[in-house]
Amino acid sequence: GQSLEQPSEVTAVEGAIVQINCTYQTSGFYGLSWYQQHDGGAPTFLSYNALDGLEETGRFSSFLSRSDSYGYLLLQELQMKDSASYFCAVRVSYNFNKFYFGSGTKLNVKP
Amino acid sequence: SAVISQKPSRDICQRGTSLTIQCQVDSQVTMMFWYRQQPGQSLTLIATANQGSEATYESGFVIDKFPISRPNLTFSTLTVSNMSPEDSSIYLCSVEGAGSYNEQFFGPGTRLTVL
Repeated sequence: GQSLEQPSEVTAVEGAIVQINCTYQTSGFYGLSWYQQHDGGAPTFLSYNALDGLEETGRFSSFLSRSDSYGYLLLQELQMKDSASYFCAVRVSYNFNKFYFGSGTKLNVKP
Repeated sequence: SAVISQKPSRDICQRGTSLTIQCQVDSQVTMMFWYRQQPGQSLTLIATANQGSEATYESGFVIDKFPISRPNLTFSTLTVSNMSPEDSSIYLCSVEGAGSYNEQFFGPGTRLTVL
């Protein structure tokens, strides 16, 4: 089976940096993704890590440590529009793009 | 990227009835996925639909309750059968990105309320 843990809620102010952690236990692991979902919207892809290390995409970075079964999403220069839910998701199949999602972290950005 | 549409966007149904949700993609894709999401909760994978073969269901989901069709490479349907209020949820379909197999694109979802 799969188990992914994330903090349920995080609050930060505009311009700050916030880190959302994700720990996982899976029967197979091929990579970790992050998705953003605004209220009433569909999840949208942010990043994918298959190898250990940090991947940077603009204000967002994602980190993976396979030995620790741990990853995080780092959001810099927070903006009000970053208020959303963030989900980590593990890829469990080599053959196709099958993911299991964490419980989600609601990020509240305050002025 | 892939553009996905779902019909209906929302519905209110009576207990014991069935609803079929349609998912249309603007490009041909091998795999399509169906998820369920309670408001404010995580996405739970229901099944994986590969064109030309039976859908593969996750633990806790069965074909009799959630029959899936996948008649071609751009379309799939999910039926929620013999509904109960516990089936009230948002149902989303998703596809893997062509050329970016680590990314999934999601449809806008179908918000289902069962009375």
